[in-house]
Amino acid sequence: QKEVEQNSGPLSVPEGAIASLNCTYSDRGSQSFFWYRQYSGKSPELIMFIYSNGDKEDGRFTAQLNKASQYVSLLIRDSQPSDSATYLCAVKGNQGGKLIFGQGTELSVKP
Amino acid sequence: GAVVSQHPSRVICKSGTSVKIECRSLDFQATTMFWYRQFPKQSLMLMATSNEGSKATYEQGVEKDKFLINHASLTLSTLTVTSAHPEDSSFYICSASGGKGATEAFFGQGTRLTVV
Repeated sequence: QKEVEQNSGPLSVPEGAIASLNCTYSDRGSQSFFWYRQYSGKSPELIMFIYSNGDKEDGRFTAQLNKASQYVSLLIRDSQPSDSATYLCAVKGNQGGKLIFGQGTELSVKP
Repeated sequence: GAVVSQHPSRVICKSGTSVKIECRSLDFQATTMFWYRQFPKQSLMLMATSNEGSKATYEQGVEKDKFLINHASLTLSTLTVTSAHPEDSSFYICSASGGKGATEAFFGQGTRLTVV
């Protein structure tokens, strides 16, 4: 079992719709959870992080964390074509602060 | 967010030569830096973790003698790919942690290495 798993996609949604990206992790001791966006050929950029169970909202983005289910998700409201990218879920445990990445979900927002 | 500068952004080298990649934190002190490698259509794979002033910790399967990491100051870490071969061609990305909101890590722009 991979430490951090994501559906590789591609996930295709129409412009204006809600895109839902999911991630599961295996280490129950994981402390913090991150969502990054990566455009092709570019470095990842941080969208949001979340530590506590529940929802965290930032503009059009909402991160949801359920530690009991070892599940973290990212919702993108009013999706735009510029949101088309690969979204990487990353989990930080107790081992030296390193981030473990999922394989990423490719999102395509169609005009 | 904090700024991490990585240089060069692209490099082409001949097989057998060495290449040095620099990663600088511009506006904070990076106590820890991470080096990742990313092959096309794949996720980031952690290569090593370096803490300022100490030896890097390498992930399983990463050759420490081939990928030399130096973290001599709180703002600079370097990765040297020694005796590079075509299979080392990849996208190398550093990230730095230690500034405000120390739980976050900020990424450099990445270095596209092509070994011919």
